Amino acid sequence: EIVLTQSPGTLSLSPGERATLSCRASQSVSSNYLAWYQQKPGQAPRLLIYGASSRATGIPDRFSGSGSGTDFTLTISRLEPEDFAVFYCHHYGSSPWTFGPGTKVEIK
Amino acid sequence: QVTLKESGPALVKPTQTLTLTCTFSGFSLSTSGMRVSWIRQPPGKALEWLARIDWDYDKFYSTSLKTRLTISKDTSKNQVVLTMTNMDPVDTATYYCARTPLGSPVDYWGQGTLVTVSS
Repeated sequence: EIVLTQSPGTLSLSPGERATLSCRASQSVSSNYLAWYQQKPGQAPRLLIYGASSRATGIPDRFSGSGSGTDFTLTISRLEPEDFAVFYCHHYGSSPWTFGPGTKVEIK
Repeated sequence: QVTLKESGPALVKPTQTLTLTCTFSGFSLSTSGMRVSWIRQPPGKALEWLARIDWDYDKFYSTSLKTRLTISKDTSKNQVVLTMTNMDPVDTATYYCARTPLGSPVDYWGQGTLVTVSS
């Protein structure tokens, strides 16, 4: 089973700043089957990035994903007020699938 | 339009078996490449993938929970059923069903259903 570790646990930033979130896998993620989700309180997660770097439909280009193998990054180039939330990475290659523990991006 | 909706008891007692049903529309689980997963989230905690059933009846389970989980589908009713045995208070969570096409992560989520385990 692939274990995903996310860092930092919490990121305190101001609107307009750049956010860099890390996701590290315990073993290589096949075919870069790594996704990122954003979740706000009381809502289901929203898919942001799939295939490590492809933006999902309707996702603004300030969100970008990069990485391969075991190290992946989600970057939000300039934080908008609506971006503050919890972000999860998720591997969906060989089963069992897993999620990371999440990074909370909060307003500083 | 793809929709999924979870149904089941809001409250179960410890040691009981939980049965949740996911009723979906806008796609068919008999279509090659289509899959449905169950994912849960305890209050204030992270997402946890539980199980998946594929169009060809293949089934996959969380390593830590596989002895307690069973997933099945009724293609004619557009439903996926998850059972979890021997429920414990730590299983209190919002349970989501979700569509996960082959080669894709979750692209559609249900609204989730909160299940509380308490005597």
